[in-house]
Amino acid sequence: DAGVIQSPRHEVTEMGQEVTLRCKPISGHNSLFWYRQTMMRGLELLIYFNNNVPIDDSGMPEDRFSAKMPNASFSTLKIQPSEPRDSAVYFCASTTGWETQYFGPGTRLLVL
Amino acid sequence: GDSVTQMEGPVTLSEEAFLTINCTYTATGYPSLFWYVQYPGEGLQLLLKATKADDKGSNKGFEATYRKETTSFHLEKGSVQVSDSAVYFCALSDQGGSYIPTFGRGTSLIVHP
Repeated sequence: DAGVIQSPRHEVTEMGQEVTLRCKPISGHNSLFWYRQTMMRGLELLIYFNNNVPIDDSGMPEDRFSAKMPNASFSTLKIQPSEPRDSAVYFCASTTGWETQYFGPGTRLLVL
Repeated sequence: GDSVTQMEGPVTLSEEAFLTINCTYTATGYPSLFWYVQYPGEGLQLLLKATKADDKGSNKGFEATYRKETTSFHLEKGSVQVSDSAVYFCALSDQGGSYIPTFGRGTSLIVHP
């Protein structure tokens, strides 16, 4: 199994630009989570999907952030417009049965 | 709500020393408990887990016992190696609650040769 796949692995952009992060969960997993990790705030849950439906997006910081899951094998997290304080590592994780989470390698985002 | 409290790091040890990283939790239901490890530049990965009281999870020489009476799940290893240097996260998944996992802040472990 290839595991959770995230792209890009690294992203450097300028303030105001749109950023799109992508995730392919493990085949057969029915839940997908987006997290953000920073030194200051640790690991934060942004949004999670169950069977492609957004269940809880209360962790999304503001309207600049949006996430979609058009099918069981693909999800995107979009930031528009990006700001320097969005710089972080963004992780996608998938699971089934609400037990062990399988994390992707993360996308390291730097907004200048 | 649910919460996980871990000891703050960094924890700095010499190779072959004994490791304990404390973790306590608060949950309204019947949680499963987890330890995840994050190596530099990587995502979190499951190290071990326990699903009910008195269960012991173990993997790669690490152990943790689910203690319901003290609401604890402390991580231990008898002899650490330099390759164990990483960040360790305690977490719970409350099957009686929302099922959303709750993670601790993470504890950085640095092992010197």
